[in-house]
Order: sequence, then structure tokens, then C-alpha cells
Amino acid sequence: AQSVTQPDIHITVSEGASLELRCNYSYGATPYLFWYVQSPGQGLQLLLKYFSGDTLVQGIKGFEAEFKRSQSSFNLRKPSVHWSDAAEYFCAVGATSGTYKYIFGTGTRLKVLA
Amino acid sequence: DADVTQTPRNRITKTGKRIMLECSQTKGHDRMYWYRQDPGLGLRLIYYSFDVKDINKGEISDGYSVSRQAQAKFSLSLESAIPNQTALYFCATSEGTQYEQYFGPGTRLTVT
Repeated sequence: AQSVTQPDIHITVSEGASLELRCNYSYGATPYLFWYVQSPGQGLQLLLKYFSGDTLVQGIKGFEAEFKRSQSSFNLRKPSVHWSDAAEYFCAVGATSGTYKYIFGTGTRLKVLA
Repeated sequence: DADVTQTPRNRITKTGKRIMLECSQTKGHDRMYWYRQDPGLGLRLIYYSFDVKDINKGEISDGYSVSRQAQAKFSLSLESAIPNQTALYFCATSEGTQYEQYFGPGTRLTVT
């Protein structure tokens, strides 16, 4: 069965520190992969996506993610976190079978210390 | 103006009441989705629609119904609300064969 796991429910980092949010997936083929961010009281905003090609993808707000097929992972990174990055982050797998449905992870809530 | 709007943004209702959540989009997308978000559970798909005449159940459709009144409008109804339907509800859209989904701001529903 398809699934997405975000092992870290909460992460706290200091402003200026680097960040890595983990995402592991289970899918029968190479999936389409996404990271979304949800700021308090807001909807979800797409940070970046991976469909094929270069396994390191760049997104908005200085984020990047690396697809590692051997580890079934798609971890999100940022070299220097800003206080405004405090939010909840969701990894999602998009079905490639033509149904265009997403499966979301349970989210990681990021807290940034000043 | 926002591309995907949801009304109302907040709603408190009583058990047994019928309630409708509405979603409108100006993106011109043909696909629309309804999700609910619960703490610790992420987002789960309730219903999705590929066009006005194509509506499909998601993973948690029991207790919900939908109506696609036009390409731009997709409504979610709770025929008889119950407390465990208290959640944050999101509408999303996507275009044709593109996989990116675009989300509305959400409706916070509380059933007492």
C-alpha cells in the first residue's frame, strides 16, 4: 500500500541553523513527490516538487529536497532557517497511475528559536 | 484576489444539522478536491472531481456528499453533522495532467 512517513512530529531549530525534515514513502513505482508548507491559519503552499530528472530539486523560500530512490526518501533541507519558516510541513506522494491523487504525510511542525 | 476561496472560514454547528462548505476557484482548473485535516493525521481525501460529471470518493467519504455545480464550484455537505467531523477542511484544485494541487485557506468546522 502507498504511504508517506514523516518521522518527526516536532522539530525545533535556532534561527540561522540548518534544517532537514525527513520524508519516507512507500510506492510501487517512482512517485511524484511534493513538499508543502502550512503557515498558521493558512492553506498549504507548494514548496517544491519532484517528477523526474535531477534528484536535487530547488524550491521557493530557499528550500531544496533530494530524492533518494535507494532509501525511498525525499528529505527537505534549508541551509539557514529564518524565524518566518516556523510552520507545519507536509510531504506528499502523487499517484502516477492517472488518478492524480495525493497521499499526505502527517506533517512536521517546525519551531524556530530566536 | 485569492485563486481558491472557501466559505465560510469558520463555522460552529450542532450535532444533526446539515451544513455545506463551499469552494470556488478562478484558476480555470478542471480538477477539484476536498480534504480534511486532523492533528497528527495530516490531510485525508474526502472526494475529488475531474470535471462536472466525474465525481469520485476518496478515502474517507462516509458521512459526506459533494456537488460540482460548475467547473469553478465544488461544495461539500455534511448531511447530519457529528462531533468527530470537527476538523479543518481544505479545497484544492489542479489542472489536467498537472499534478500540482493548489489549496484554499481552509474552513474550520466545529460540531458540538
